[in-house]
Amino acid sequence: AQSVTQLGSHVSVSEGALVLLRCNYSSSVPPYLFWYVQYPNQGLQLLLKYTTGATLVKGINGFEAEFKKSETSFHLTKPSAHMSDAAEYFCAVSDLRGYNKLIFGAGTRLAVHP
Amino acid sequence: ETGVTQTPRHLVMGMTNKKSLKCEQHLGHNAMYWYKQSAKKPLELMFVYSLEERVENNSVPSRFSPECPNSSHLFLHLHTLQPEDSALYLCASSQGAGRRVSPLHFGNGTRLTVT
Repeated sequence: AQSVTQLGSHVSVSEGALVLLRCNYSSSVPPYLFWYVQYPNQGLQLLLKYTTGATLVKGINGFEAEFKKSETSFHLTKPSAHMSDAAEYFCAVSDLRGYNKLIFGAGTRLAVHP
Repeated sequence: ETGVTQTPRHLVMGMTNKKSLKCEQHLGHNAMYWYKQSAKKPLELMFVYSLEERVENNSVPSRFSPECPNSSHLFLHLHTLQPEDSALYLCASSQGAGRRVSPLHFGNGTRLTVT
């Protein structure tokens, strides 16, 4: 069975500081990995995804994540936080059985303060 | 209109009511999903329809009844709900099969309150 663990349910950073949101996964097959963001009163929006190939993937809004198979990790980073980055972030792993069954982590709420 | 649209955005219902949540996708996708998002819990996959056939039913109580009349529409029929069913219900869609499948596209959800 696949699972996702997000370390830290709340992360707080200063505007302009590095953002690091941690995600570890377990999977019995080569995984597809995703990061989604959720703003208040909205659904989830895809930030970036890893399928195959380059292990460093770039997404929208300046975010990127690196797939490290040896560490079973897929941490999300952004060099400089902006106030508009305040939201909840979800890491997910896919169990591909003909459709995209996403298993989500519990989420990390990012706060950005001036 | 593009993307995944869910209606209503907010719903308050008593435990004896019957209501339905609607989801419509305008992306030409062939799979649709219902997720439940409760406070302080991970998103829970409830149902998956692939090519209009239900392929996942994750031990969801029978008071939740999904319906997928075609590849663009998905419903969640609700009856005799409990207060613990109060949550944000998210619909999503995707395209493809196997390792060519696309990421999920989500609607904005229906915020359900059971009184």
